[in-house]
Amino acid sequence: EPEVTQTPSHQVTQMGQEVILRCVPISNHLYFYWYRQILGQKVEFLVSFYNNEISEKSEIFDDQFSVERPDGSNFTLKIRSTKLEDSAMYFCASSESGHNEKLFFGSGTQLSVL
Amino acid sequence: QQQVKQSPQSLIVQKGGISIINCAYENTAFDYFPWYQQFPGKGPALLIAIRPDVSEKKEGRFTISFNKSAKQFSLHIMDSQPGDSATYFCAEGGSQGNLIFGKGTKLSVKP
Repeated sequence: EPEVTQTPSHQVTQMGQEVILRCVPISNHLYFYWYRQILGQKVEFLVSFYNNEISEKSEIFDDQFSVERPDGSNFTLKIRSTKLEDSAMYFCASSESGHNEKLFFGSGTQLSVL
Repeated sequence: QQQVKQSPQSLIVQKGGISIINCAYENTAFDYFPWYQQFPGKGPALLIAIRPDVSEKKEGRFTISFNKSAKQFSLHIMDSQPGDSATYFCAEGGSQGNLIFGKGTKLSVKP
């Protein structure tokens, strides 16, 4: 089965540093998402992206966050100046069509901000 | 803030038993209610989903029951197996694909 791949699997950074989390969605998918999961808590929506623009974003996705699809295969999440509370597992997801068709999630990037 | 309330937080079931996880939602505008299964170190994976025009959907050992008037839906796992041990999340779906997840239920199936 096709899968969403995320790199790196673990990222450790110092508070205030910029990080970029990378994702390769499934090739024929058109909708892309970032979610995060703080340890032991629920999965939270950050942003959805379609046709090279943000479709929807949550209140978590403030000015410190940005997303980009720099080429035909990658989808990135950038955190400009990391805070301790940004420590979480970040999941990329993609779907063939929007409107809540099946979302495929990657295995996540564990971000630790020290 | 919209919520999906999920219970129980954890569940222990004997092999062969029935696992039941419940969720209650608030926003009647949503029309997509999936269940995701998550194993440690992995991302959530879609298990089964339902839309509110039906009251039940069954796929193998997994059944969703949907009660629109009560704004509740539940996951039933029949003949639970140790390999079903995972964390299960219910969710409700917005129009742009943003899922609102419940807090999860950690299921342990004892052999």
